[in-house]
Amino acid sequence: GQSLEQPSEVTAVEGAIVQINCTYQTSGFYGLSWYQQHDGGAPTFLSYNGLDGLEETGRFSSFLSRSDSYGYLLLQELQMKDSASYFCAVSLPPGNTPLVFGKGTRLSVIA
Amino acid sequence: ETGVTQTPRHLVMGMTNKKSLKCEQHLGHNAMYWYKQSAKKPLELMFVYNFKEQTENNSVPSRFSPECPNSSHLFLHLHTLQPEDSALYLCASSPPLYNEQFFGPGTRLTVL
Repeated sequence: GQSLEQPSEVTAVEGAIVQINCTYQTSGFYGLSWYQQHDGGAPTFLSYNGLDGLEETGRFSSFLSRSDSYGYLLLQELQMKDSASYFCAVSLPPGNTPLVFGKGTRLSVIA
Repeated sequence: ETGVTQTPRHLVMGMTNKKSLKCEQHLGHNAMYWYKQSAKKPLELMFVYNFKEQTENNSVPSRFSPECPNSSHLFLHLHTLQPEDSALYLCASSPPLYNEQFFGPGTRLTVL
């Protein structure tokens, strides 16, 4: 079977840094993606890691360690609008598109 | 706005009804997907279409029937659903072998 584990809820203060971890056990692996979903909205793509290491996109960074089957999303300079659910997703061979999602982490940013 | 639209946005139906969900994209993508999102559960992939051909059916019950008449449109036909099928149904699209999916806003389905 396929499983991705991530914390169900995280709370952080505005302006702070938060890290959301994701560990995975899948029958194959091509890459790890992160999506953001606001209440009532559609998931939107944040980042993708196909290789080990850190990918940075503005305030968001994502890390992957394939040997540890582990990745994380790092959000810096938190803003109230970052309050949302964050999903990690594994792409399975042969393609790139994510097909297996985690249950999501609910991030609450407080003043 | 991601460029993927879904209609209707909300749907209430009885267990004996037949209804259809529609998804449309004009992004030039060749792959389209149906997902089910239930409370406190991961997004569940239901169907994948590449170039109008179904390439994946993730053990979905036959009361859900997809249709992809062309690369821009995707339907999900529903019949004799169960209350546990109540969920948010999301459509997504992407170019083949591309690491980003573009999601529609979803259809909130309630089965009475």
